[in-house]
Amino acid sequence: DAKTTQPPSMDCAEGRAANLPCNHSTISGNEYVYWYRQIHSQGPQYIIHGLKNNETNEMASLIITEDRKSSTLILPHATLRDTAVYYCIVPTSGTYKYIFGTGTRLKVLA
Amino acid sequence: DGGITQSPKYLFRKEGQNVTLSCEQNLNHDAMYWYRQDPGQGLRLIYYSQIVNDFQKGDIAEGYSVSREKKESFPLTVTSAQKNPTAFYLCASFPGRMNTEAFFGQGTRLTVV
Repeated sequence: DAKTTQPPSMDCAEGRAANLPCNHSTISGNEYVYWYRQIHSQGPQYIIHGLKNNETNEMASLIITEDRKSSTLILPHATLRDTAVYYCIVPTSGTYKYIFGTGTRLKVLA
Repeated sequence: DGGITQSPKYLFRKEGQNVTLSCEQNLNHDAMYWYRQDPGQGLRLIYYSQIVNDFQKGDIAEGYSVSREKKESFPLTVTSAQKNPTAFYLCASFPGRMNTEAFFGQGTRLTVV
């Protein structure tokens, strides 16, 4: 199973970009990187996913390194409502096994 | 609207009783999952199922049981063998295509007294 490593916590000033890193050094060639976030006591919310190219949607951007061993989720203009725990996940190819790591607790400061 | 439904939202049981948590999806997803979350902790995988009539243990399956008789349903039973059953339980489903995301229910908070 691909394992992910994230810093336990980060702070970000409101209106600034939040850059959340994730290491996934054991990722296989056909496994995607997914990002979700969880606001207190709710189900996780999908943010974005990618395979090897950088991706952008209305919520965030995902930058994946060329060797695919790490990625960064970018929230371009963080707001107070972005305060949450952010999880980087690499589902196991073939088994679809979704393993969550400990995530990064992002606090956006006014 | 398509979605994944967990019920009930809050559940109380006496110690020593088995309890079954419901998870239903109308998304036509092949795979379904159960996670446990303790306060301040991440999500830990209990069981998952890739197809009907098949399921695999996750990292913390002891004291839990599941069934997958229908594609839409993946109930979780918390048995009396589970030492610390009080927790937040989340169900999820996944289409089975790697370029798509998983969907999560809103969770069931189980309290055993």
